[in-house]
Amino acid sequence: ETGVTQTPRHLVMGMTNKKSLKCEQHLGHNAMYWYKQSAKKPLELMFVYNFKEQTENNSVPSRFSPECPNSSHLFLHLHTLQPEDSALYLCASSQEVGTGYDEAFFGQGTRLTVV
Amino acid sequence: GQNIDQPTEMTATEGAIVQINCTYQTSGFNGLFWYQQHAGEAPTFLSYNVLDGLEEKGRFSSFLSRSKGYSYLLLKELQMKDSASYLCAVRDSNYQLIWGAGTKLIIKP
Repeated sequence: ETGVTQTPRHLVMGMTNKKSLKCEQHLGHNAMYWYKQSAKKPLELMFVYNFKEQTENNSVPSRFSPECPNSSHLFLHLHTLQPEDSALYLCASSQEVGTGYDEAFFGQGTRLTVV
Repeated sequence: GQNIDQPTEMTATEGAIVQINCTYQTSGFNGLFWYQQHAGEAPTFLSYNVLDGLEEKGRFSSFLSRSKGYSYLLLKELQMKDSASYLCAVRDSNYQLIWGAGTKLIIKP
């Protein structure tokens, strides 16, 4: 248990569906992140929120839409995804962006399959 | 561009020692992290290096040479539970983490 909880753990969705991934952290952190992890590839940073403000959007397609209602919760809304979007989506949190030693705590991820 | 290189896969024997290397080219440097990720689980923090030298933590040690853009993770007295992927990541000048693709470590009896 890392203090970061993601739901659902597994998700299969059609290309026309709309779904949301949820992340919750109980660590009192101010920064939250969405990463995409594909097999044999580096973790890809998708979005960063620092004190509820989005500070990074790494050229992510608009079919992925983040939402951060407060420092403890982060959502990733999905719509009209493509099969190549199938991957493990990891949420992480850290104390705050902008410090060197800022250990990231990860959730266990949502394994997404787009059919 | 920014780049982190580490071997894709390594195999070692239970009880032995293994060294996993990581080389990096990033815009700026604000520390290097090693994470462990078991299959189907979250990555978990192992070590952080920001100054040159060796950091020891039990059976695991991590080394950094900033001038060479090089780090390694040393695992001693290997146990079967050490079978996992090991991820190297560097914090760049914008304080973003740049990740390697990970090294899958297979431990054999």
